[in-house]
Amino acid sequence: DGGITQSPKYLFRKEGQNVTLSCEQNLNHDAMYWYRQDPGQGLRLIYYSQIVNDFQKGDIAEGYSVSREKKESFPLTVTSAQKNPTAFYLCASSIFPPGTEAFFGQGTRLTVV
Amino acid sequence: GDSVTQMEGPVTLSEEAFLTINCTYTATGYPSLFWYVQYPGEGLQLLLKATKADDKGSNKGFEATYRKETTSFHLEKGSVQVSDSAVYFCALSDPTGGTSYGKLTFGQGTILTVHP
Repeated sequence: DGGITQSPKYLFRKEGQNVTLSCEQNLNHDAMYWYRQDPGQGLRLIYYSQIVNDFQKGDIAEGYSVSREKKESFPLTVTSAQKNPTAFYLCASSIFPPGTEAFFGQGTRLTVV
Repeated sequence: GDSVTQMEGPVTLSEEAFLTINCTYTATGYPSLFWYVQYPGEGLQLLLKATKADDKGSNKGFEATYRKETTSFHLEKGSVQVSDSAVYFCALSDPTGGTSYGKLTFGQGTILTVHP
């Protein structure tokens, strides 16, 4: 079945550590996105990529990094520079330009302990 | 830049009540408009969409009409069920240009709770 897979579902990080969230899609989509979701704030765009080996900062990119070495994969690293990383992270993909729907993964809940 | 504003929630209704969730947008180009739904602990699913003015999107009893004159895309359902309890997001993407070119811009989400 085609879809988009995020892993892990739950992730715990100690303060000062970097952590990488995985996102894989087999929909042959060119565009991929990372959103952060906090209660009452909707979805905020962290990074997005329209093509392999290229990506752009979204609205809240500070403290995050990404790579797009393969069309299917768009991992997100939450670095120690991110001051408040506890949140629900959602990955999505779509055709480009996304005049049609985006498909979302099930999300990763990151908690700093 | 492009933006989406949803009515403040949460919204609490009894089963079989009529639902309206307001959504208005600001865009410099000609956006496509979407409603997504999120059930607890899950990602978002597309509920319905409209790609040009006066288009009506519909799915599972939900409807929304793309109103360019009022820059709105309000979500409606004639009779809600307990299973409709979720968070609803209005979103836009502009395939023709503007600050939402190549990405989705979301509203803040509206929590809907339906009681039996």
